[in-house]
Amino acid sequence: QVQLQESGPGLVKPSQTLSLTCTVSGASISSGGYYWSWIRQRPGKGLEWIGYVYSSGSNYYNPSLKSRVTISLDTSKNQFSLNLTSVTAADTAVYYCARDDYGAPFDPWGQGTLVTVSS
Amino acid sequence: AIQMTQSPSSLSASVGDRVTITCRASQDIRNDLAWYQQRPGKAPKLLIYGASNLQTGVPSRFSGSGSGTDFTLTITSLQPEDFATYYCLQDHNYPRTFGQGTKLEIK
Repeated sequence: QVQLQESGPGLVKPSQTLSLTCTVSGASISSGGYYWSWIRQRPGKGLEWIGYVYSSGSNYYNPSLKSRVTISLDTSKNQFSLNLTSVTAADTAVYYCARDDYGAPFDPWGQGTLVTVSS
Repeated sequence: AIQMTQSPSSLSASVGDRVTITCRASQDIRNDLAWYQQRPGKAPKLLIYGASNLQTGVPSRFSGSGSGTDFTLTITSLQPEDFATYYCLQDHNYPRTFGQGTKLEIK
């Protein structure tokens, strides 16, 4: 079955760039017409969709974060990545990667990774 | 962006009870609505998609209904493992938006 696993630093300094990678197993990210997404959850809060990269490499980002977000594919490693620039404490959250598809939104998910923004 | 409003924000119930959670969209989303369960420290799990379709492997005590702007998630005969937080999601368009969550607690 398809599995996703996030990885990256757990601590980022304010004003720096948060970079995370999601490794996909059991499916090819460059085929199948899927939308590979990032979602975050601030401590004790609800879920916020960040954006996706499509199997073709095209993107759509949440307008609330669009100026700071880049999501990209690395087909050679079957991974996709999130870069979030100019982070502040408000970006402290658990970051999840997930597969999105028509009729089966956000399934499956990675287990999530906590990123803390602090000096 | 489409706003999703869940109610109640929290709910106390007992094992064996029947509970209903509602989700309202700020505009017509047809049946493009999913429900997720999130246990503490875990990723959300897809329960229902297309407003009423049970995801494979999800117990039949979970059901969803609604279309347009008003949707419900019903859990019959609550089990101990059902005490968790539930979120609705609209997948009608982008940006995808979630409800604020309903925390289901043991009475």
